[in-house]
Amino acid sequence: SQTIHQWPATLVQPVGSPLSLECTVEGTSNPNLYWYRQAAGRGLQLLFYSVGIGQISSEVPQNLSASRPQDRQFILSSKKLLLSDSGFYLCAGKTGGIRGPLHFGNGTRLTVT
Amino acid sequence: QQPVQSPQAVILREGEDAVINCSSSKALYSVHWYRQKHGEAPVFLMILLKGGEQKGHEKISASFNEKKQQSSLYLTASQLSYSGTYFCGTEDTGGFKTIFGAGTRLFVKA
Repeated sequence: SQTIHQWPATLVQPVGSPLSLECTVEGTSNPNLYWYRQAAGRGLQLLFYSVGIGQISSEVPQNLSASRPQDRQFILSSKKLLLSDSGFYLCAGKTGGIRGPLHFGNGTRLTVT
Repeated sequence: QQPVQSPQAVILREGEDAVINCSSSKALYSVHWYRQKHGEAPVFLMILLKGGEQKGHEKISASFNEKKQQSSLYLTASQLSYSGTYFCGTEDTGGFKTIFGAGTRLFVKA
């Protein structure tokens, strides 16, 4: 079965600093991968998704970017963090075809100070 | 387009039933349901595909009416462990992305 690994679990960063969050997938190949963000007490906002190496679709224009350098690796980045970037970042993967369930990693709680 | 969930919050006593609704303004191919405990990642409950099917998972079941673009999650004889936030996620015919509603907070008390 598929396992999504994310780290770190928590992160505190100053405004204007860079960000790199990594997500790796175990137990499957060629998954569709997703980055979601959840503000405190809010819903899940889709940020990026990828159906293959080097392929990124952006859902929300902002100062974040994503990359997929390998089949099982998905990276979320920012050059300069804003206060509004604070939130709970979740990586998710989907296998079993495009109609399968999303499996989430444990998430990274980011606080920008 | 984000699906709309109702109600926003529900408080139940153990053993009571609840219904959570999810509706979309777009044609849907499938609906997902997830439960999230505080501070944790969402956990998959079930998927319903186009065809009006109804599924069950222990005492939790769901229906999907694609003509009305609506889905409902039914929780019967609620247990304390059912507490959490329930999200519906919808997919259109493209299927690559799942868009989530704002969530329904469910609290079950003894």
